[in-house]
Amino acid sequence: QSALTQPASVSGSPGQSITISCTGTSSDLGVYNYVSWYQQHPGKAPKLMIYDVTDRPSGISNRFSGSKSDNTASLTISGLQAEDEADYYCSSYTSSSTFVFGTGTKVTVL
Amino acid sequence: QLQLQESGPGLVKPSETLSLTCIVSGGSISSSRYYWGWTRQPPGKGLEWIGTIYYSGNTYYNPSLKSRVSISVDTSKNQFSLKVSSVTAADTAVYYCARHEGIPVAGPRRGFDSWGQGTLVTVSS
Repeated sequence: QSALTQPASVSGSPGQSITISCTGTSSDLGVYNYVSWYQQHPGKAPKLMIYDVTDRPSGISNRFSGSKSDNTASLTISGLQAEDEADYYCSSYTSSSTFVFGTGTKVTVL
Repeated sequence: QLQLQESGPGLVKPSETLSLTCIVSGGSISSSRYYWGWTRQPPGKGLEWIGTIYYSGNTYYNPSLKSRVSISVDTSKNQFSLKVSSVTAADTAVYYCARHEGIPVAGPRRGFDSWGQGTLVTVSS
């Protein structure tokens, strides 16, 4: 299975909104709504930010939102803050009963 | 509060078997709602799902690793384990154990909602 495709980097100024894309296939993003997004700070374990395309776990800021259209999912961070600077990964359940991660996106707050 | 903790050797020789255990505390590994998995991250690279197990023993593996990977569960000790055989330098990574939600018996579905802190395993002679 191939990794989902994400842009290598995205940047924005404090207060702005940014969107990270995640492109898959008809065997993963295109068929299931089991899409998750993770935030990972250097040296730390990933943290679940979004699950089931749009849902936020308890305690996650509503500045983080998710969406999906066909084979592409997106994570939007609004009101960008310095603490949002991290790596972000998407993930999806697949038709083979497996999971696949995205290639990862480094978010820089200018 | 659920906690997961990986344990095992930090250094493994090429061609040998890597073995890690994840101890789960603050929750039962036998919950029908949850599945338990392993993910790894080579230094400076992205995340790779390795595989997942249900308390009943049902397993799900990454096809690219399936021939070398085995995941087992010990419900009496509330822990699950990972073995990767015939390791090479390419298996050097931080290994994470984590929990994800699924459909009882039918299989895991959702992303990982609780993670261990990770443990670095280096493959070198």
